[in-house]
Amino acid sequence: DAMVIQNPRYQVTQFGKPVTLSCSQTLNHNVMYWYQQKSSQAPKLLFHYYDKDFNNEADTPDNFQSRRPNTSFCFLDIRSPGLGDAAMYLCATSDWGQNNEQFFGPGTRLTVL
Amino acid sequence: AQKVTQAQTEISVVEKEDVTLDCVYETRDTTYYLFWYKQPPSGELVFLIRRNSFDEQNEISGRYSWNFQKSTSSFNFTITASQVVDSAVYFCALKSGADSNYQLIWGAGTKLIIKP
Repeated sequence: DAMVIQNPRYQVTQFGKPVTLSCSQTLNHNVMYWYQQKSSQAPKLLFHYYDKDFNNEADTPDNFQSRRPNTSFCFLDIRSPGLGDAAMYLCATSDWGQNNEQFFGPGTRLTVL
Repeated sequence: AQKVTQAQTEISVVEKEDVTLDCVYETRDTTYYLFWYKQPPSGELVFLIRRNSFDEQNEISGRYSWNFQKSTSSFNFTITASQVVDSAVYFCALKSGADSNYQLIWGAGTKLIIKP
C-alpha cells in the first residue's frame, strides 16, 4: 500500500541535544510537509518542499531545519530542542495544487527531558 | 482573510446516536476547497473528504455524510449510528487564497467521544 512512514514513532531527547526525525513516502508526491501539533491544537505548518524547493513558514523558529535528499525522504532536524518543542511532529505529502489533499504519516511524538 | 471555525470543542454521545459536527468557513475567493480529517487517539490524521466550491452536492459514504451549503458558508459532517471507533478529533480545513496550492487553514477541531 502506498503510504507515508515516520520513524521513530516516539523519540525522547534531552534539552539541547540535537534530534532528527525522518519521513518517507511511497506515493511519489512532489510536495512534502512538516507540521508540529501540540496537545488539543490543530497542526501548525513548519515548512514544506515542492520538489527540492524549500519553503519556510515565517514563524518557524530557526531551531528547526529540514532536508529532502530525494523525492521519497524528508528529515526534520531540531538543533537544540527546548521543553517547548515537545509535541507531535507530523509529516504529510501531496501533489501540488489547490485541489489536492494531504496524506499524513502516523507522527513522531517528541519528548524533551 | 480565510478562517475555519469549529465551534464545538467537544461532543459526547452514546453509541448509536447520530451526531453532527459543525464547520463554518470564511473566504472571499470563489474557488476554494474544503476538507475533513479524522485524528484518532493514535495520532495519525486520516483524510475523509474533499469538496470544491463549485460542487454543492451532499456526499454520503457509509455512515458518514457531509452537507455543504455555500449560502451559510458551512460544511457540516454527520455520523449516523455512531460507534465507539468513531471517537476521535475531527478537523475541518480550507484551501483558499494565494497560498492555497499548499496551505491548509485548519479549524480548531472537535473532540468526539462515543460512549458504549
